[in-house]
Amino acid sequence: GQNIDQPTEMTATEGAIVQINCTYQTSGFNGLFWYQQHAGEAPTFLSYNVLDGLEEKGRFSSFLSRSKGYSYLLLKELQMKDSASYLCAVRDESGAGSYQLTFGKGTKLSVIP
Amino acid sequence: DVKVTQSSRYLVKRTGEKVFLECVQDMDHENMFWYRQDPGLGLRLIYFSYDVKMKEKGDIPEGYSVSREKKERFSLILESASTNQTSMYLCASSLGSHQPQHFGDGTRLSIL
Repeated sequence: GQNIDQPTEMTATEGAIVQINCTYQTSGFNGLFWYQQHAGEAPTFLSYNVLDGLEEKGRFSSFLSRSKGYSYLLLKELQMKDSASYLCAVRDESGAGSYQLTFGKGTKLSVIP
Repeated sequence: DVKVTQSSRYLVKRTGEKVFLECVQDMDHENMFWYRQDPGLGLRLIYFSYDVKMKEKGDIPEGYSVSREKKERFSLILESASTNQTSMYLCASSLGSHQPQHFGDGTRLSIL
């Protein structure tokens, strides 16, 4: 089975940096995704990590440590439009060679002026 | 851009009805998925499919079935709708298992 934990809510100030953590426990880890979901909208893909280390993509970076079962999403130079839920999703083997994503409950980030 | 289209944004049905939710993608993706999203529970996988006429159960398949007769279309069926199936339903597709999933806009289903 899967166990994915991330904080329920966070608040940060416009222009600041925020780090959203995700810890997971899984038997057949095969990659970790981060998605952004604005209220009332579909999730959109932000980043993918399968090897240890940092992946940088503009203002957003994602880090993975497989040995610690830990990832974080780092958002720099926060803007008001970054107010959204951030979903951590772990990909693992579900059996018979197929894979599925299991999502955390999401972290609701509020950016304040 | 990948386009995943769900047939309805809002749907209201009655208990015991058979409900069909349709999803179509236009990028020739192999993989398609159905999730439901509930407050405090997050996104949970109902069923997924890696090929035409192929399906696999996700974490919460009870009360649901699926159909994938054509590569671009993946249907979710509620055999006999119940009030606990009131939820936001999201369809997604991906090119391969290592590729990100692209989501439709969702169907907010209410069962009365």
